[in-house]
Amino acid sequence: EAGVTQFPSHSVIEKGQTVTLRCDPISGHDNLYWYRRVMGKEIKFLLHFVKESKQDESGMPNNRFLAERTGGTYSTLKVQPAELEDSGVYFCASSRGPLNSPLHFGNGTRLTVT
Amino acid sequence: AQSVAQPEDQVNVAEGNPLTVKCTYSVSGNPYLFWYVQYPNRGLQFLLKYITGDNLVKGSYGFEAEFNKSQTSFHLKKPSALVSDSALYFCAATGAGSYQLTFGKGTKLSVIP
Repeated sequence: EAGVTQFPSHSVIEKGQTVTLRCDPISGHDNLYWYRRVMGKEIKFLLHFVKESKQDESGMPNNRFLAERTGGTYSTLKVQPAELEDSGVYFCASSRGPLNSPLHFGNGTRLTVT
Repeated sequence: AQSVAQPEDQVNVAEGNPLTVKCTYSVSGNPYLFWYVQYPNRGLQFLLKYITGDNLVKGSYGFEAEFNKSQTSFHLKKPSALVSDSALYFCAATGAGSYQLTFGKGTKLSVIP
């Protein structure tokens, strides 16, 4: 099966600009997650979708971040306006069922805000 | 709050020797525990998990992990290390009923030929 795909792989933007990250999960995976790793720190949970519904967005840092999952397929994560502290690697993951099913991760998007 | 600790930033081991990467956790209730590996410029790849049952869990590429409830540990082990095992290893945990995985900071494993 095709893996989780993330686009772009790298993005360099200036402070104040907008960036949209995209994630295509594995087909048939209802659960989709966004995680972020800031340089040298832990990978942190951002939010969780089940199909098109947000189940848990308690990890979203602030209202500059907006995630959507159109029709329960691909997901986008928009940062607007970007700040320096938003720099890091953003990972998307998907799974078929409950959390005892392993997550399948994409390669991540490395975001650099200058 | 959930937490995961990986006390070693880096572990160096000679090829052919046994390796251990340490992990301790704190979650409410019964834990779900995972190990993931990340190779350069790649995503995290699932290695193994503990949900319930036998405390010794076997996973991919010859890795295994031992769940120790009294010590709240879930150390990753392999009897004989390969150079190709060199990568970044992440321990993760959550409690039953939660969909949020909490990760450790990661341990860089270097296997020296």
